[in-house]
Amino acid sequence: DGGITQSPKYLFRKEGQNVTLSCEQNLNHDAMYWYRQDPGQGLRLIYYSQIVNDFQKGDIAEGYSVSREKKESFPLTVTSAQKNPTAFYLCASTPRGQGYEQYFGPGTRLTVT
Amino acid sequence: GQQVMQIPQYQHVQEGEDFTTYCNSSTTLSNIQWYKQRPGGHPVFLIQLVKSGEVKKQKRLTFQFGEAKKNSSLHITATQTTDVGTYFCAGLGVTGGGNKLTFGTGTQLKVEL
Repeated sequence: DGGITQSPKYLFRKEGQNVTLSCEQNLNHDAMYWYRQDPGQGLRLIYYSQIVNDFQKGDIAEGYSVSREKKESFPLTVTSAQKNPTAFYLCASTPRGQGYEQYFGPGTRLTVT
Repeated sequence: GQQVMQIPQYQHVQEGEDFTTYCNSSTTLSNIQWYKQRPGGHPVFLIQLVKSGEVKKQKRLTFQFGEAKKNSSLHITATQTTDVGTYFCAGLGVTGGGNKLTFGTGTQLKVEL
């Protein structure tokens, strides 16, 4: 089955800890994205990568970091500098740029207390 | 920056009634995409509109792209309980510096029997 996997589905962390969310795709897509979703709000872009070893900040990159060492993988680290990290995090991919249909993973719900 | 607004935020209908959600961009769009997110799920691509004034249909769903390419609508005829979820539009900007996909705030649809 081709698709995007995110793990874990639910994640709990204490305030002050960094946490890394996993995103893997086997669709052979070049571009990958991380979004954050809060209740009653749309999806806000955190970071995106159009090619291996390159990535760009989205609208709300502060307090987050990413890497793209492999085409299939785009992990997101939520650092202790992120002031309000509790949210639903969605990873997506497209064949090339943002003008294409976005394929989303199932998401990770992060709770920080 | 580019902003994409959606109205209404919530819509509660009786099964069989029609439903419409509207999407408005602050800037001209290259294309617009629509997604559906079921409760507890992830967004799933529905359709993409590219041409000015374009209208596309998928069974009971009708999608329109405005003549000025700054607004769009999704209309569902005779809603069913399977239509429950949040509908998002996402507009691809045409400004220089790289195309950017911006998601609207979403319209949450509830359908009562």
